Amino acid sequence: GAGVSQTPSNKVTEKGKYVELRCDPISGHTALYWYRQSLGQGPEFLIYFQGTGAADDSGLPNDRFFAVRPEGSVSTLKIQRTERGDSAVYLCASSLEGNADTQYFGPGTRLTVL
Amino acid sequence: KNEVEQSPQNLTAQEGEFITINCSYSVGISALHWLQQHPGGGIVSLFMLSSGKKKHGRLIATINIQEKHSSLHITASHPRDSAVYICAVRLDAGGTSYGKLTFGQGTILTVHP
Repeated sequence: GAGVSQTPSNKVTEKGKYVELRCDPISGHTALYWYRQSLGQGPEFLIYFQGTGAADDSGLPNDRFFAVRPEGSVSTLKIQRTERGDSAVYLCASSLEGNADTQYFGPGTRLTVL
Repeated sequence: KNEVEQSPQNLTAQEGEFITINCSYSVGISALHWLQQHPGGGIVSLFMLSSGKKKHGRLIATINIQEKHSSLHITASHPRDSAVYICAVRLDAGGTSYGKLTFGQGTILTVHP
C-alpha cells in the first residue's frame, strides 16, 4: 500500500469490553511500532516488532494489553477488559528496518472507553 | 522530569514571522526526529538528525549533541504551518539501538493570517 493504514479509525466501546486494533504497515517494512497518545501529550512507546517477534514490549502498561504480528506484516493490538484510562489515540508506525530508518506513521485509531 | 522537553508548549505567530521551537533531552541519543501532527492525528516525519543541520524548504533543523539540544525553525511562516510539532529521540542503547522513539509533549503552533 501507499502508506501505513490503521483500522478502525474510531472505536467506541464500553468499560470491560475487548477490542482489537489493526495496523497494516508499508509493504516490505520489517519493523513495526505501536504507540499510544493521550490527549495533549506526545506519543508513548508500547511495543516494537522486528519481523514476527516482539523485540521490545516494555511499554505495554499491563497484561491487559497484547499485540501480535503472526506473518511479519499486519499487526493487531489487543486490549482486554478495557478501562476508561485506555482512551487514547493508538498509533502504528513502520520502518524498513529497526534502526536508523525514518518511521512512517499511520493515521491512528481513536479509542474511547465509556 | 521527562527525558525530552519542548518549549514553548504553545506558540502563536503572525504570517511571515520566523519561528523557533526548542527541544532538550537528558539522555544519550543516536538520532533525533522532528515530527508534524495535524488535527486528526496524522504524523509526518520532517527531519531525522544525528548531527549538524538539515534544511527542507522553509524548515531548518539543527542539533547540538554536546548541549543535548535541537531547534526547529520555520522561515516565512504560513497559516498552513499550524500544527503540533513533536520532537522525538532514539535512545543510544550502546550498539543495540533500534528505532524506538521517546517523544516530547509537543508544541502547538498557530499561525494567523
